[in-house]
Amino acid sequence: QQQVKQSPQSLIVQKGGISIINCAYENTAFDYFPWYQQFPGKGPALLIAIRPDVSEKKEGRFTISFNKSAKQFSLHIMDSQPGDSATYFCAASKAAGNKLTFGGGTRVLVKP
Amino acid sequence: DAGITQSPRHKVTETGTPVTLRCHQTENHRYMYWYRQDPGHGLRLIHYSYGVKDTDKGEVSDGYSVSRSKTEDFLLTLESATSSQTSVYFCAISGGNKGFSEQFFGPGTRLTVL
Repeated sequence: QQQVKQSPQSLIVQKGGISIINCAYENTAFDYFPWYQQFPGKGPALLIAIRPDVSEKKEGRFTISFNKSAKQFSLHIMDSQPGDSATYFCAASKAAGNKLTFGGGTRVLVKP
Repeated sequence: DAGITQSPRHKVTETGTPVTLRCHQTENHRYMYWYRQDPGHGLRLIHYSYGVKDTDKGEVSDGYSVSRSKTEDFLLTLESATSSQTSVYFCAISGGNKGFSEQFFGPGTRLTVL
């Protein structure tokens, strides 16, 4: 049973456009929601994270929107650049532990 | 990669043979994790460690065992490799000055079981 569902599986966007990736979770005990970015042949790297006490967090061109009642959160990449082409993973974990549950990943391709 | 190395980086083995993957960290982080990455499944937790000799099972632990005799090393063993264990394996660490939530990942080991 996949506790964190991520969509879409892949995404193509033009340079300067907005990339939007969505995740939905089932476990209401989750209270930490990070996004990881992974380039080919590399390990994932933390991009941005949010806790449920806020509805939005922005770091540069990357924004997380969080909807606690809907149990959904999303990543927006503004002004997408070719260097943003990567696979993005959402994840979630509980307060009492630190085991991350990952979504299935979204491969983003930004065309110049 | 935050002071994390994995060895070997690539390995091809045959069904039924034992395989050990090593994760080594120089960050003195308390927590260490082993994940496997497969298309469409994201990363799935195999085992994790919350201290020396303290380990616990993750989501997909069947067929795998781990050991941690030193803070810096976390070993993942496939006692008898099967083709379903062909995957990319990532080690991660957490527990530094940013708390235990943020996990830092190693470069990965690509394992092929023929």
